[in-house]
Amino acid sequence: QSALTQPASVSGSPGQSITISCTGTSSDVGGYNYVSWYQQHPGKAPKLMIYDVSKRPSGVSNRFSGSKSGNTASLTISGLQAEDEADYYCSSYTSSSTWVFGGGTKLTVL
Amino acid sequence: EVQLVQSGAEVKKPGATVKISCKVSGYTFTDYYMHWVQQAPGKGLEWMGLVDPEDGETIYAEKFQGRVTITADTSTDTAYMELSSLRSEDTAVYYCATNTRPIWSGYYFDIGYWGQGTLVTVSS
Repeated sequence: QSALTQPASVSGSPGQSITISCTGTSSDVGGYNYVSWYQQHPGKAPKLMIYDVSKRPSGVSNRFSGSKSGNTASLTISGLQAEDEADYYCSSYTSSSTWVFGGGTKLTVL
Repeated sequence: EVQLVQSGAEVKKPGATVKISCKVSGYTFTDYYMHWVQQAPGKGLEWMGLVDPEDGETIYAEKFQGRVTITADTSTDTAYMELSSLRSEDTAVYYCATNTRPIWSGYYFDIGYWGQGTLVTVSS
């Protein structure tokens, strides 16, 4: 199972919006509405930000939103804030009954 | 409050075996899959496998098949991950993590609760 494909890095200024893509195949992202997104700050455990493509767990800011089209899922962060600077990972359930993560995207808030 | 508390850092020699524990509290252990995720220094997350604590059934990622064993002890609400034939590339932080929704819900695809991570260093 190959890792999902994410851009290595994205950046944006405070207040702007950014979008991170996550490309898989019809055996994972495209085949199921079970894409999750995680935020990870240095030295910390990942934190669930989006699940089931577009749902937000309780306590996660509505500035975070998710979507999917075909084999590509996307995470959009609007109104960028300094504390959003972190690594972001997507994940999907797969047809092999396994899970697969993306390679990760480093978000820099300029 | 859901808590996953992992055992401490380990230093192992190449070829050795490491076993990490993950003790849970705040939820019914047998209702949720327990996943294990590897993160090498400066690298991304890699899913290793999971155990269904209810019946002990496991699913492993192809990359780790044959070297990893994940188990669950329902008497102590503790999950374990054992990785054998260690090599330098196995130097990483290992996380246990569980779904936010129970298996019986049919919607158990998000990994929402994570342990603090355990650093395993493989060095001669």
